Amino acid sequence: AQTVTQSQPEMSVQEAETVTLSCTYDTSENNYYLFWYKQPPSRQMILVIRQEAYKQQNATENRFSVNFQKAAKSFSLKISDSQLGDTAMYFCANSGSRLTFGEGTQLTVNP
Amino acid sequence: NAGVTQTPKFRILKIGQSMTLQCTQDMNHNYMYWYRQDPGMGLKLIYYSVGAGITDKGEVPNGYNVSRSTTEDFPLRLELAAPSQTSVYFCASSYPTGTGLSGDEQFFGPGTRLTVL
Repeated sequence: AQTVTQSQPEMSVQEAETVTLSCTYDTSENNYYLFWYKQPPSRQMILVIRQEAYKQQNATENRFSVNFQKAAKSFSLKISDSQLGDTAMYFCANSGSRLTFGEGTQLTVNP
Repeated sequence: NAGVTQTPKFRILKIGQSMTLQCTQDMNHNYMYWYRQDPGMGLKLIYYSVGAGITDKGEVPNGYNVSRSTTEDFPLRLELAAPSQTSVYFCASSYPTGTGLSGDEQFFGPGTRLTVL
């Protein structure tokens, strides 16, 4: 069975600063993918970044980057130069045979 | 290109009533999914489909039924609504890019908030 754990229910950061959201997972799959999705107050789920487990290089998308530690089954998200629009619930997800979501981290960016 | 659309946006049901949540995508995606999101929780997979005429159970299928007669539509049916089905329901779709079912980006609809009283 796949599990995803996000140990930080809430976090806050000042605008323009950097914040890191934590995620650990467990899976018996050999090939899998890891995702970070963003859910703003509008409820729309938006893909932030995706990591292929067999790639050692950490994925980056503009201000968003991940620290993928496969042996430790850790997949943290770093947001640089935080913006007010980054305020949202962030979900970590692991996809082997199906997509499994963590419980989310509510991030608030303060002006 | 509207993406994934869901109707209705909100609905209140009485215990024992039935309803169908509609989902349509105009991206010609083969794969479609239904999730539920309970308060303060992540999404859980109810059912999914890899193409017209093919559906399969996800993690929490009890109390729900689906059909997939066309590529575009993937309705979710609740036959006997129960308070435990109070949740926000998301439909999603993805296009197979060769990475397999697990690696494709899923595109989500705006959700349907369902309350069963």
